[in-house]
Amino acid sequence: DIQMTQSPSSLSASVGDRVTITCQASQDISNSLSWYQQKPGKVPKLLIYDASNLETGVPSRFSGSGSGTDFTFTINSLQPEDIATYFCQQYSNLPRTFGPGTKVDI
Amino acid sequence: EVQLVESGGGLVQPGGSLRLSCAASGFTFSIYWMSWVRQAPGKGLEWVASIKPDENEKYYVDSVKGRFTISRDNAKNSLYLQMNSLRAEDTAVYYCARGASYYRYWGQGSPVTVSS
Repeated sequence: DIQMTQSPSSLSASVGDRVTITCQASQDISNSLSWYQQKPGKVPKLLIYDASNLETGVPSRFSGSGSGTDFTFTINSLQPEDIATYFCQQYSNLPRTFGPGTKVDI
Repeated sequence: EVQLVESGGGLVQPGGSLRLSCAASGFTFSIYWMSWVRQAPGKGLEWVASIKPDENEKYYVDSVKGRFTISRDNAKNSLYLQMNSLRAEDTAVYYCARGASYYRYWGQGSPVTVSS
């Protein structure tokens, strides 16, 4: 199975800050990576797919990059509504696996 | 508008069974892979199973193989998860999701609690 790690596990930043989360796969997954946002008590929401493609309707302050084993998720100019946990997920191999999540606080 | 609505969750004793359903609307259900993803209380997301549009291929996470069965009825636009021999560690919110790679659409989730 492909193991996904994320860092940090949590972070606290100020409104307007740039926030960066990293995700690492235990083996090469090319660009088969997605990012989700989950607000407390809510359903996960797809933000990024194929490592860097922004889902329709998602604000452009969110972005993703990387390929192979190392990936980065960035929120440019953090907003109060961005308080959530963010998960990466690989879909290169079965079983599909998720990172443990990064909790973002203001 | 794409909608996925799960039902069938609840409290069940260890060793018991439960069948989850997911009613799909707003898209051509019969041409999409469908999946179940679960989330234990306070924990992360875990892929459980996926099924091909024609049901010819089904895949499961190792921890549920032999106990859970994913199925679908394309005439009824419905996805199912039959869960047998349930264990405490199966306690989670179970989400129905469209797709088998990344998941663009999710249901609201159906909570399953396995406890005596």
